[in-house]
Amino acid sequence: KNQVEQSPQSLIILEGKNCTLQCNYTVSPFSNLRWYKQDTGRGPVSLTIMTFSENTKSNGRYTATLDADTKQSSLHITASQLSDSASYICVASRYNNNDMRFGAGTRLTVKP
Amino acid sequence: DAGVIQSPRHEVTEMGQEVTLRCKPISGHNSLFWYRQTMMRGLELLIYFNNNVPIDDSGMPEDRFSAKMPNASFSTLKIQPSEPRDSAVYFCASSPQQGSNYGYTFGSGTRLTVV
Repeated sequence: KNQVEQSPQSLIILEGKNCTLQCNYTVSPFSNLRWYKQDTGRGPVSLTIMTFSENTKSNGRYTATLDADTKQSSLHITASQLSDSASYICVASRYNNNDMRFGAGTRLTVKP
Repeated sequence: DAGVIQSPRHEVTEMGQEVTLRCKPISGHNSLFWYRQTMMRGLELLIYFNNNVPIDDSGMPEDRFSAKMPNASFSTLKIQPSEPRDSAVYFCASSPQQGSNYGYTFGSGTRLTVV
C-alpha cells in the first residue's frame, strides 16, 4: 500500500479560480513533506518543503499546509493560470535518510 | 548552472538490446538519484549514490539493471537486456548532500520505449 495518497486524481478548473489538492501520508518517522510540480515532458520541480514543525509555507500563488498530527497536507493554488496545468506530486520523507515516498499525483488542467 | 542534464531525451530500442542512460548532476552536488516513472506506479527510486558510492540499490528491479558513477560529474543507468516492461521515463536527480532535507533537482528525463 502506498504510504502517500493524493486526491483528487485529476481536476479541471477555469482560469482565475482557486483550487486545493489533498495529500495523506503514513510515513514514519516523518521528516518533511514536499510538493512538486511536474509539467508534461519535464522533471518534477520543487514548490515547497515543510518539516513537522511547520504548518504552512507559501511560494507565490502556491500555499501548502501541513497537519503532522493528522498526517495531512494540502496545496492551495490561488487565481489559477493556464501555466498551472501540470501534475502535482506530494512527497513524504522519513527522518534522516533519502527514503522519499511519492504520491501518484493530481493532474490539474486549467482551462481558459 | 545548466541543471541536471540527461541524455538521450528519447530512446526507442528493440527488446533484448542494451540501453544506456546518462546523467550529469549539478556541479558540487554530492548525491545522485535514479528514478523511474510510469503511469501505473508513479515515481520509484531505483538507486542513489553519495560521493560516487552506491548507497541503496534496493529499488533496482532486477539484475538486468545496473548503475555506475565513475566520477562526481557522470552517472549511467544500463539495462541489459531490455524488455518492453522497462518502457518508462527515467529521471536523474541530484542533491547537495545526503538526506531528505536537502533540495533535489531533477533532470528532464529520458523516455525509454522498448518494442
